[in-house]
Amino acid sequence: RKEVEQDPGPFNVPEGATVAFNCTYSNSASQSFFWYRQDCRKEPKLLMSVYSSGNEDGRFTAQLNRASQYISLLIRDSKLSDSATYLCVVRSGNQFYFGTGTSLTVIP
Amino acid sequence: DTAVSQTPKYLVTQMGNDKSIKCEQNLGHDTMYWYKQDSKKFLKIMFSYNNKELIINETVPNRFSPKSPDKAHLNLHINSLELGDSAVYFCASSYWDGSLNTEAFFGQGTRLTVV
Repeated sequence: RKEVEQDPGPFNVPEGATVAFNCTYSNSASQSFFWYRQDCRKEPKLLMSVYSSGNEDGRFTAQLNRASQYISLLIRDSKLSDSATYLCVVRSGNQFYFGTGTSLTVIP
Repeated sequence: DTAVSQTPKYLVTQMGNDKSIKCEQNLGHDTMYWYKQDSKKFLKIMFSYNNKELIINETVPNRFSPKSPDKAHLNLHINSLELGDSAVYFCASSYWDGSLNTEAFFGQGTRLTVV
C-alpha cells in the first residue's frame, strides 16, 4: 500500500470554478502535512502547509482530518495560472512521502 | 542566491558511462535528499543524509551512491548507466530536530537521458 494516495485526475475546469483535491495517508504517526505544486518541467514548490485546525491562504483552503487520515485542498475562483500538478505530501520523521499528484488544467 | 542548486540541469550520456550530479544547499538544513521522478511523474525517495550519516536508503541499485563531503552538499554518483535510469533527479533539503518540521526545498532538477 502506498504511503500517500491521490486521485491523479486529470481535472479540467473552467476559469472561476471551485475544485477540490483529496488524499489519504497510511501512517497514523505522520507529523506534518503539505500541498506542493509542480509546474511542467519544474521542481515541486510548497503551496501551503496543512494544519490540524485547517488553514486558508487567499483562494486556497487546506484541511486535515487526522482521525480519517485525510487531507484536502480547495481552490476557489480558479485562474489559468493554477494549471499545474498538485502533490499531497506527508512527513513522518525525517522522511517525506509524496502522492502521485493530481493534474489540474483551468480552461478559459 | 539559490537555496538548493544542482548541476548539471541536463545530462545526456551513453549506456555504461559513469556520471555524477552535484547538489548544494545554503539554507543551513541538516538533511538532504535525492528523489527520482520517472515518466509517470511519481517522486520516489532514493537517499537521504542527516549530518553526513545515511539514514534512509530505499531499494535502489547499488550503482547509485550518494556522497556527502559536508552537510551542505549531497552528490549523486551513478555507475554503469542503463536506459532505465533516464529520469529527472531532484535534490532537496530540510531541517529536522524531531519537533520542528519544516518543508522540503527542491533543486531545479537534473534531466538525465541515457542513450
